[in-house]
Amino acid sequence: QVQLQESGPGLVKPSETLSLTCTVSGGSISSYYWSWIRQPAGKGLEWIGRIYNSWTTNYNPSLKSRVTMSMHMSTNQFSLTLSSVTAADTAVYFCARAMAGGLRFDYWGQGILVTVSS
Amino acid sequence: QSVLTQAPSVSAAPGQKVTISCSGGSSNIGNNYVSWYQQLPGTVPKLLIYDNKERPSGIPDRFSGSKSGTSATLGITGLQTGDEADYYCGTWDNSLSAIIFGGGTKLTVL
Repeated sequence: QVQLQESGPGLVKPSETLSLTCTVSGGSISSYYWSWIRQPAGKGLEWIGRIYNSWTTNYNPSLKSRVTMSMHMSTNQFSLTLSSVTAADTAVYFCARAMAGGLRFDYWGQGILVTVSS
Repeated sequence: QSVLTQAPSVSAAPGQKVTISCSGGSSNIGNNYVSWYQQLPGTVPKLLIYDNKERPSGIPDRFSGSKSGTSATLGITGLQTGDEADYYCGTWDNSLSAIIFGGGTKLTVL
């Protein structure tokens, strides 16, 4: 059974960089699309971006200038960095796996709440 | 403001049928597959429908999906109180080169 687990700091100061890691167990991170999706409290889902083929990335245009994703095959992890954060970046961050085609999010992490506050 | 438009809420009685719509355009729904997700209160989104109308293993056939032109629809029959959740559509947008989600529809089973 594939499992995803987000990890990282739950509190980030404004203007600093948010860094999260998703650890995948029960399967290899090769051959799939790996995304980050966030959800502010009481609001809808926002796709942040994805990585596949170890280096190919697509980012949400509204966040592209601040987002970087990478994959770490040796540890079966992928990561997200979001720079220059503000209070508007406060949200639950999910990592998720998508099958070929990239639209079918079949496995999700439990989510991690990241609060941006001084 | 989401590129994909969903009604904020819908309600129906137990046992009844409900449809949830997702409206987009030619750059997204019109030329790409649509997926639907169910998010029960306080939980992680769950894949309900993919490729417009396909159900993953374990999803009951009370849930169905369809697409026509630039709109997609999720249907739920035999409503149960346990179906109360937020439902999101999602697809790829060719103009944005990004995955987009609808704003979500909150289903209340009265």
